[in-house]
Parts: sequence; C-alpha cells; structure tokens
Amino acid sequence: AQTVTQSQPEMSVQEAETVTLSCTYDTSESDYYLFWYKQPPSRQMILVIRQEAYKQQNATENRFSVNFQKAAKSFSLKISDSQLGDAAMYFCAYRGSSGDKLTFGTGTRLAVRP
Amino acid sequence: DTAVSQTPKYLVTQMGNDKSIKCEQNLGHDTMYWYKQDSKKFLKIMFSYNNKELIINETVPNRFSPKSPDKAHLNLHINSLELGDSAVYFCASSQRGTGEEKLFFGSGTQLSVL
Repeated sequence: AQTVTQSQPEMSVQEAETVTLSCTYDTSESDYYLFWYKQPPSRQMILVIRQEAYKQQNATENRFSVNFQKAAKSFSLKISDSQLGDAAMYFCAYRGSSGDKLTFGTGTRLAVRP
Repeated sequence: DTAVSQTPKYLVTQMGNDKSIKCEQNLGHDTMYWYKQDSKKFLKIMFSYNNKELIINETVPNRFSPKSPDKAHLNLHINSLELGDSAVYFCASSQRGTGEEKLFFGSGTQLSVL
C-alpha cells in the first residue's frame, strides 16, 4: 500500500520569506500523480499544485513550486514570498495511475508571521 | 455555481441517531468519494463510486452506507451514531481518464455526536 509521510507537523515563516514543506512517499508504481492541497480555516480543500511522475520538470504555479525527486520519492513544496493568506494546513497526496483514490499525508500546519 | 456541494455543513446529533449527508456535483464527473477527516486532521478515504458502482470500500463500519442514485449524487447514511463518528466528512469528485486525476472537494460536513 502506498504511504505518504509529512515529517513536519508545524512550520512557521516570516511574511515575504520562503518556506519549504517536506513530503516523502512509498510506492512500487512507476507512474503516478502527486498533489499538494491547502486547507485554510474555512475547511475547504484547495488544490495548490500537481505533478505527474513521468514529467521530470518540476511543476510551478505562481509562488508555489515543487522539488520532485523521483528516485528519492520526495515531493517538497516551496512557497516563495509568503503571504498571510498562505497560513493553512498543507497536505501532500498520492494517486496511482490505476488507482481511484488520493492517499494523504498527515499534514503540515503553516503559520505566517507578519 | 458550486462544483461539489454537500449538505448540511454542520450536523449536531445525539448518540444512537441515524443521519444522512448529501452530496451533489455539477462537473459531469463519473467518480465520487467520501473522505473522513478526524480530529487530528487526518484524511482517509471511506468510499468511492464510479458511474454509480461501488469501487472502493475501505474498512468502514457497516453503520455507514453510501448510496449513489446517479453519477452526480453520492449520499452517506450513518446508523446508530457513536461518539467516535464525530469528524468532518468530505465529498469529492473526479473524472477518470482525463490525465488530470485531481479531486474536487466539497466544503465538508462537520458532524458532532453528543
């Protein structure tokens, strides 16, 4: 079974600075998808960024980018120029190419200091 | 306008009662899910339906019964509610075979069992 590990329960960053959230996963599949979801206090699950395992290029969405290391099974999220609105729980998630579900990590709570 | 909508948003009830949560998606997706988020924010798949057929049934007590009258709706009925059922329940949907493989989530139903 696939597992997703987020080793940082909480992180803190100064506004306008950069922070990196870690995620590792375990799988025997060669083709799969990885995601970062954001959950603010409103509870809504918001997709931040996604990465296909067959793509070597790291995904980027504005201030959000990933460092995908397939051999190391690592998928970290970098948030640049942090804003107060970035404060939330961040979940890393895995989905196999033949699977029909997302497997989530335990989440990292990000605080942004003004 | 809402892509995945679930009702109610909040549900407070007594132990032993039976309750239902409804979910509807207007994205034309063929696959729908129920996820449970516990008090530690851990998200775990409960059920998944594809075109009204049950395809994922994780280890969930028989008191939980999903029903999909059509591919746009997936309801969750819970019998004989217990204190441990208190959690946030998320409905989600996706479309198989698009290459995107991302889930769209509803805003969650916070269930409190007293």
